[in-house]
Amino acid sequence: GESVGLHLPTLSVQEGDNSIINCAYSNSASDYFIWYKQESGKGPQFIIDIRSNMDKRQGQRVTVLLNKTVKHLSLQIAATQPGDSAVYFCAEISGGEQFYFGTGTSLTVIP
Amino acid sequence: EPEVTQTPSHQVTQMGQEVILRCVPISNHLYFYWYRQILGQKVEFLVSFYNNEISEKSEIFDDQFSVERPDGSNFTLKIRSTKLEDSAMYFCASIGQGKAGELFFGEGSRLTVL
Repeated sequence: GESVGLHLPTLSVQEGDNSIINCAYSNSASDYFIWYKQESGKGPQFIIDIRSNMDKRQGQRVTVLLNKTVKHLSLQIAATQPGDSAVYFCAEISGGEQFYFGTGTSLTVIP
Repeated sequence: EPEVTQTPSHQVTQMGQEVILRCVPISNHLYFYWYRQILGQKVEFLVSFYNNEISEKSEIFDDQFSVERPDGSNFTLKIRSTKLEDSAMYFCASIGQGKAGELFFGEGSRLTVL
């Protein structure tokens, strides 16, 4: 099956700094990617998505970059805030209905 | 803002007992999903449901599991005879038109099997 993995299981950043969370995927046929944020005890929340025909997409304080050559996805959070502390998952969809999730990166923002 | 609601938020059960987890997806959504997350692990796909039938299921979704949408609003996950390893958070999710797009998750139901 598909494999979606994250390079770093934990990340600590100072409040106000930028955060970069990385994700590798294995299925080159995947055509849609989503980043989710999961706070403790809650369900995953959609952050931002990107289709495979794009390299970059920006949201409010977040940017997703897609490098299809190396099958790599990253989430950049600008001016990280304490409320950004959570586990971040990337997910890939490759035509079927299954969203394949990575193992998650735990982001801790240090005030 | 529309949301997916799940009940119960936490259920404790004895091994071998049947459990039903309930979900009310967003009203105009067409595709429904159950995922589970064992503590500290990734979110795993269980099953997807469309047009009143299962459209995909994972290896985890064995004969002990079943889903149904009995009344057009509730979407339930039944575990017939729970095992210790069924202890996890179970998330319901739904999506609107099209198979890709923003998947809306509920807050989850925590199942503890003793």
